[in-house]
Formats: sequence, C-alpha cells, structure tokens
Amino acid sequence: GAVVSQHPSWVICKSGTSVKIECRSLDFQATTMFWYRQFPKQSLMLMATSNEGSKATYEQGVEKDKFLINHASLTLSTLTVTSAHPEDSSFYICSATPGSRSYEQYFGPGTRLTVT
Amino acid sequence: ELKVEQNPLFLSMQEGKNYTIYCNYSTTSDRLYWYRQDPGKSLESLFVLLSNGAVKQEGRLMASLDTKARLSTLHITAAVHDLSATYFCAVDGETSGSRLTFGEGTQLTVNP
Repeated sequence: GAVVSQHPSWVICKSGTSVKIECRSLDFQATTMFWYRQFPKQSLMLMATSNEGSKATYEQGVEKDKFLINHASLTLSTLTVTSAHPEDSSFYICSATPGSRSYEQYFGPGTRLTVT
Repeated sequence: ELKVEQNPLFLSMQEGKNYTIYCNYSTTSDRLYWYRQDPGKSLESLFVLLSNGAVKQEGRLMASLDTKARLSTLHITAAVHDLSATYFCAVDGETSGSRLTFGEGTQLTVNP
C-alpha cells in the first residue's frame, strides 16, 4: 500500500513553454502533498506544500506564478512549470501524507524535466 | 530556520566494515527520517524515528535518535556493495507541519 505515482517520469520541453506534472496517491487519500526539487548531486529542496481545496504554501524564494500548484482532489496534485527555462531543468519529486498518519510521507518516483 | 547537517558527505568503505553516518539538526524535533536514493531514482524510506531514544534496525542498517543532543545516527554493519547509494536524513521541525528539511546527503560507496 501507500503508493504515489508521478506522470510523466521524464519530459523534455522547449524554453518558454509550460509543462504539467501530476502526482497521484493511488491507494490512500492524501490530505497534504509536497513538491520538491532536486538538482544533480544536491539534496531535496521543498518547493511548496499543497492541501486539498486550498491554495498552496510556497517556500521562500519559490516563485508562485512560475510554479503553479493545484490540489484538486484528495488523490491528485499538479505542478505546472510555466514559461520554462533551462535553469528549471531538475528532478521534481512529490510526496503525499495520509491524514490519519501525518508523520508518514510517501514519495513519488520523480519527474525529470529537461528544458532545451 | 531549521538546519540539518550530515557527515560525512562522502564515504568510501570496504565490504565487511562498519561505519556510522551522523545527522545533526538545529531545532527541536521529535521526527527524524532516513532515506536511501539510488542514482536517477526517487527516495526509498528506510526509517522513521518518532521519539527520543528510538532505535530501529533493518538488515545491516540501524538508526537511532537522541532528541536532546539533536542527533541521529545511521550505523552500517558489515557493509556490502548493494548498500552503495546516497543516504539522506530529514527532520520535521515542531512548527513545520510535516514539512521536511533534508540534510545534504551522504554518498556511500562500498568497495569489494
């Protein structure tokens, strides 16, 4: 149990275009989902916290107009990278927390974004 | 601001040897997590430590938590090549609402 999926697993897009990444909790309801970014050889950095039905909370330094997060249901959160640039190329990982066990975080397999 | 520091950042060890990775954090927390990451992959949860003095073991890995010292350790016993990976600790601060702050990661290489 407690599986989180992400789609797509990798994507290549041209500079200036937008790309959407989906994060789904497959067998539990996720009251909270988190989006992380990881550059090569670096640690994970939290970008934003997403609660179902409410606006996402962004970490300091993360542009909310560039990284649009929608948590439309208890099993789906989306991250849209708008007007992508090469410096947005990174590994994006989501995680989800079931409401009943808020200390558990289940991580998705990640999405590798390359902006050319 | 919660800071999480791991050491060492790089660890090369021989098979069969023991070693410990340390994770220090800067603020009060009762939740500490250890993850493993293989190249190109996402995180695999290893341990969740929820209280002072917690000790958990799985195979050749054992993790412990001392909340008073704000220190967690990940001990590797009789290392094997399959343990080669990057290990992260992460802390959920008391006021962070499940938002995790990660350490820099320890890149472990186990040589035959």
